[in-house]
Amino acid sequence: TQLLEQSPQFLSIQEGENLTVYCNSSSVFSSLQWYRQEPGEGPVLLVTVVTGGEVKKLKRLTFQFGDARKDSSLHITAAQPGDTGLYLCAGVGYSGGGADGLTFGKGTHLIIQP
Amino acid sequence: KAGVTQTPRYLIKTRGQQVTLSCSPISGHRSVSWYQQTPGQGLQFLFEYFSETQRNKGNFPGRFSGRQFSNSRSEMNVSTLELGDSALYLCASSPTDYGYTFGSGTRLTVV
Repeated sequence: TQLLEQSPQFLSIQEGENLTVYCNSSSVFSSLQWYRQEPGEGPVLLVTVVTGGEVKKLKRLTFQFGDARKDSSLHITAAQPGDTGLYLCAGVGYSGGGADGLTFGKGTHLIIQP
Repeated sequence: KAGVTQTPRYLIKTRGQQVTLSCSPISGHRSVSWYQQTPGQGLQFLFEYFSETQRNKGNFPGRFSGRQFSNSRSEMNVSTLELGDSALYLCASSPTDYGYTFGSGTRLTVV
């Protein structure tokens, strides 16, 4: 069984601070996806990282896939209240995400206080 | 472009009853996946359909079932509801095996 561990589980910081969220596994994934979910809504895909060591930037968000394709991180620079939400990482197995289903971490609840 | 539509948004059922949830994927998407989200377990994969065929099923009891129609719309059914089935049920569609779009979910409460 593939498992994804996310840390921290909860994070509350002030606007303008930087933060990093981690996603770790003992399993290798073909790719990793990051989602953000707001209360009462479904997760929204932020990014997919495919290549070991890959770094992708989305405005103030920086995503990195570990060299061994077992872990990933999300770094937010100068956090804003609009970044508040549940951040989820999801691993895609080698059989294809659809066939195996995405393996989700339990998420990081992020609160950015004004 | 319409997103993934799930109906109903909220549902309250009694233990022992059965329930059917519906998902209309984005037009052209042939893959539909279902997930259960609870505070304790997070998001867990239920099953996935592609062109009306179930390709895989997660680790859930046989009370959970689903199907996909020729127009890619999908339904999931839960029979003999238990209190522990209370959860947010999410449907996701994809044109391929990557790049999933989730619906807003159906919040099921079993009393």
